[in-house]
Amino acid sequence: NAGVTQTPKFQVLKTGQSMTLQCAQDMNHEYMSWYRQDPGMGLRLIHYSVGAGITDQGEVPNGYNVSRSTTEDFPLRLLSAAPSQTSVYFCASSYSGQGSAGANVLTFGAGSRLTVL
Amino acid sequence: DAKTTQPNSMESNEEEPVHLPCNHSTISGTDYIHWYRQLPSQGPEYVIHGLTSNVNNRMASLAIAEDRKSSTLILHRATLRDAAVYYCIRPSGGYQKVTFGIGTKLQVIP
Repeated sequence: NAGVTQTPKFQVLKTGQSMTLQCAQDMNHEYMSWYRQDPGMGLRLIHYSVGAGITDQGEVPNGYNVSRSTTEDFPLRLLSAAPSQTSVYFCASSYSGQGSAGANVLTFGAGSRLTVL
Repeated sequence: DAKTTQPNSMESNEEEPVHLPCNHSTISGTDYIHWYRQLPSQGPEYVIHGLTSNVNNRMASLAIAEDRKSSTLILHRATLRDAAVYYCIRPSGGYQKVTFGIGTKLQVIP
């Protein structure tokens, strides 16, 4: 059981370039989300999804796009990278359900470290 | 998410118990309290969660105050591998959009 898989682990971009951070989960979780983490700060929510075809904005959505065409995948797109987007990005997933032991527990990926020059 | 308050950092000696506090004074009756930890260079991992009663699992214990305005994560014997940032969260806005604060950075001294 792979859990949450993020690719790439490391990426260096030049200002203005575009790229997609990939996130895939094999646990059939309906909830997926993207966070960024900067030095000395906690995790800040970028975008989240409650199921295939449904996405919404979190705390810091500007400069990022998402889509959710399947339950398994939730890619994060940077259309025109800026140095302010240098960060470590984490993808997470969870499932809802009252009374289930594992319900509503977030499973995180290992992170993708992005540097924008 | 509504706010929780934690100390920025704490220290513990190895093999001694650690009590990590969290204040959540505006908690509602149906909000669970969750704890996660983040080891260096890793993604956060789930530790424990609870609603009203104290909870135990293989990683830690969670003590919840009777008025639910605070809780304490208890590591019974700290090891060097417990050095991490510990996050107390209150997913009141829905589990699909959980937000995290800065957490408590725990240093374990050999």
